[in-house]
Amino acid sequence: KAGVTQTPRYLIKTRGQQVTLSCSPISGHRSVSWYQQTPGQGLQFLFEYFSETQRNKGNFPGRFSGRQFSNSRSEMNVSTLELGDSALYLCASSLTGLTEAFFGQGTRLTVV
Amino acid sequence: DQQVKQNSPSLSVQEGRISILNCDYTNSMFDYFLWYKKYPAEGPTFLISISSIKDKNEDGRFTVFLNKSAKHLSLHIVPSQPGDSAVYFCAASSTSGGGADGLTFGKGTHLIIQP
Repeated sequence: KAGVTQTPRYLIKTRGQQVTLSCSPISGHRSVSWYQQTPGQGLQFLFEYFSETQRNKGNFPGRFSGRQFSNSRSEMNVSTLELGDSALYLCASSLTGLTEAFFGQGTRLTVV
Repeated sequence: DQQVKQNSPSLSVQEGRISILNCDYTNSMFDYFLWYKKYPAEGPTFLISISSIKDKNEDGRFTVFLNKSAKHLSLHIVPSQPGDSAVYFCAASSTSGGGADGLTFGKGTHLIIQP
């Protein structure tokens, strides 16, 4: 059974640009969550999608957005990138959100 | 305000001995707890979970204990092996949100297994 796949693995962007990250969950999983990991803040919840609907969002500015498609694949978008957005972005999938979540390998975003 | 705390940033244990990693939480709504293992530049790997209706869950060398009254959980690894060296994260969630609230993570404990 294939795991959670995130693309791309690494990305370098310039301040002010926007970026889109992609996540393919485990087959059959309908809940996809996104997390940001930084050395100072640790792992922080960005948002969760279930059946194409955003059910909850963490404490992040509106520049961070996402969506989920009918096949449960999800994308995360960050607009007007800032240096502080440099982080490892992790996607996790779960059957319903009420069971254990399995993580992808992450996308390392560097903003210069 | 940190709702999940792992007070030991690092822990060194001899190979073959027991590793005990601790985690405290403050939010009474948390009723589902998980442990993850993480290597640098990789995503966390799920290890074991426990629901608040239980006080212990075992899976091979890994056992998680939950003390609800103390709002404390611990992960025991017996026996510890060199491959267990990694950062361990404790995570918690509230199922009353229908799974929408995501996981709240501690800052992690770096476990080092000494040969």
